[in-house]
Amino acid sequence: TQLLEQSPQFLSIQEGENLTVYCNSSSVFSSLQWYRQEPGEGPVLLVTVVTGGEVKKLKRLTFQFGDARKDSSLHITAAQPGDTGLYLCAGASTGTYKYIFGTGTRLKVLA
Amino acid sequence: NAGVTQTPKFRILKIGQSMTLQCTQDMNHNYMYWYRQDPGMGLKLIYYSVGAGITDKGEVPNGYNVSRSTTEDFPLRLELAAPSQTSVYFCASQRRGTGLVDTQYFGPGTRLTVL
Repeated sequence: TQLLEQSPQFLSIQEGENLTVYCNSSSVFSSLQWYRQEPGEGPVLLVTVVTGGEVKKLKRLTFQFGDARKDSSLHITAAQPGDTGLYLCAGASTGTYKYIFGTGTRLKVLA
Repeated sequence: NAGVTQTPKFRILKIGQSMTLQCTQDMNHNYMYWYRQDPGMGLKLIYYSVGAGITDKGEVPNGYNVSRSTTEDFPLRLELAAPSQTSVYFCASQRRGTGLVDTQYFGPGTRLTVL
């Protein structure tokens, strides 16, 4: 059974601080996606990474896919209250159409 | 475009009742998915479909059934509702579902409580 473990589970920080969220698995994924979900809404895609070692930047967010394609990280620089939400990673294996979602990291950024 | 729409938004069921959660997408996507999300947790795949007439089980299919008679619609049927099925249900669609670079678009969810 494939599992994606996210850490930390909860994170409460002050505005302006930096943070990193991790997504780890013992399985290899052909691609990995990061989503943000706000209360009462469905997840919204932030980024997809497909190549081992790939780094993508989205404004203050930096995403990295591990060299072995088993793990990923999301780094937020100078967090803002608008970054508050549930961050989810999701992986898909080669040749399948099924996505495995991580356990989630709930982030709260205090003004 | 409306994207992915789900009805109802909220529902309370009694143990043993049945219901159908509706999901419709207007993006002509081939792939559609049903997930459940328990409080504070990630999403678990219930069923998915790669096209009209084709469905397959996900991680947690027990107690649910699906059908895909058209590209647009992917209803989820709950038979004999149980308290363990209390959750928020999300439908999603994707253009190709290759697992590479295509985006899954999610509906707003249906919050179901079984008492």
